Amino acid sequence: DADVTQTPRNRITKTGKRIMLECSQTKGHDRMYWYRQDPGLGLQLIYYSFDVKDINKGEISDGYSVSRQAQAKFSLSLESAIPNQTALYFCAIGSGAGELFFGEGSRLTVL
Amino acid sequence: QKEVEQDPGPLSVPEGAIVSLNCTYSNSAFQYFMWYRQYSRKGPELLMYTYSSGNKEDGRFTAQVDKSSKYISLFIRDSQPSDSATYLCAMQRPYNTDKLIFGTGTRLQVFP
Repeated sequence: DADVTQTPRNRITKTGKRIMLECSQTKGHDRMYWYRQDPGLGLQLIYYSFDVKDINKGEISDGYSVSRQAQAKFSLSLESAIPNQTALYFCAIGSGAGELFFGEGSRLTVL
Repeated sequence: QKEVEQDPGPLSVPEGAIVSLNCTYSNSAFQYFMWYRQYSRKGPELLMYTYSSGNKEDGRFTAQVDKSSKYISLFIRDSQPSDSATYLCAMQRPYNTDKLIFGTGTRLQVFP
């Protein structure tokens, strides 16, 4: 099994719809992250979490929310998707020492 | 001005060439420097991690940090087609290690 699993891998939706991206891990790391990747902008941090009761905003949290349902699960929600949220989303895990382990990404298209 | 600047490429080189990938940064607070490699349709994976000025070598890869010039480099010797990927630099501040600042990535193509 992969260390970090993201579902779905691809999703096409319409403006205004609610979308949830899910992430689970098998490495037992406390820290989990959601990043967004856009061409020319690199990876931008949306939210990160140290444990189920500790959620922190990243650089671009507006329009997004997260839930840490368990130590191994961290989901990202778009309550009302808009076209400029079309991007590649990555979940990552880490120990806080700099190395992040990324999932394979969830490609979201908002029409 | 972005905190981290990286030329997007693409950089196209023949197999066996020495590749030099670079990032510049503006924030002198950055203390930890990383290079991630991202293959197409995959997540980034850590390639090199350094926390001081100077060179760090790992096989065909050498990471170089020049804090006085705010400049970091990744050198790839004897490049292979399997090195074709996007290379992202990333940096950390010592007091907020959870917020990595990534460069935009340089796409490298190594042709046989």
